[in-house]
Amino acid sequence: AQKVTQAQTEISVVEKEDVTLDCVYETRDTTYYLFWYKQPPSGELVFLIRRNSFDEQNEISGRYSWNFQKSTSSFNFTITASQVVDSAVYFCALRDLYNFNKFYFGSGTKLNVKP
Amino acid sequence: ETGVTQTPRHLVMGMTNKKSLKCEQHLGHNAMYWYKQSAKKPLELMFVYSLEERVENNSVPSRFSPECPNSSHLFLHLHTLQPEDSALYLCASSQDTGTGEDEKLFFGSGTQLSVL
Repeated sequence: AQKVTQAQTEISVVEKEDVTLDCVYETRDTTYYLFWYKQPPSGELVFLIRRNSFDEQNEISGRYSWNFQKSTSSFNFTITASQVVDSAVYFCALRDLYNFNKFYFGSGTKLNVKP
Repeated sequence: ETGVTQTPRHLVMGMTNKKSLKCEQHLGHNAMYWYKQSAKKPLELMFVYSLEERVENNSVPSRFSPECPNSSHLFLHLHTLQPEDSALYLCASSQDTGTGEDEKLFFGSGTQLSVL
């Protein structure tokens, strides 16, 4: 069965610190998709990134970077030089290859960035 | 208006009330979803509609009844709820391409439901 685990329930950092959010997943599929979403206080989950399981290249987008390691079934998310606006709940998700409509989410990590 | 819109933003209801949550998407998508978000739990998929046909029903109690009259609108009808049903109910949409390549979810801001 598919499962996503985000072991960190809540993290607090001071502005400008780097922070890594962990995501570990379980799947028997060889092809799958991984996602990160951000949920600010307004409630709407905002898409950040999608990664195909065949593409193990790490990705950087501004202060955000993602480390995909198939060997450890992890897809970690790092924010460099965190800012107060990064405060949100971050969700990791896994999607089946064939069940297009089935997204499996973790329980989320709440990030508090203090000034 | 763009994106996915949910109304109301907040709802307080008694256990004997009947209410409905509304979701509207302006993205031209053909799949719509209801998710339940409870504190410290994974997002729970409740229902999925693709081309107005229900394709997923995740063992949700019958006191939750979805309705999808067209590809832009999705409702969740509520009746005789329990206090443990209090949660944030999120609507989402996606473009079901049939290949899965570009599938991703676009979410609304949710309805915060409190059942007294």
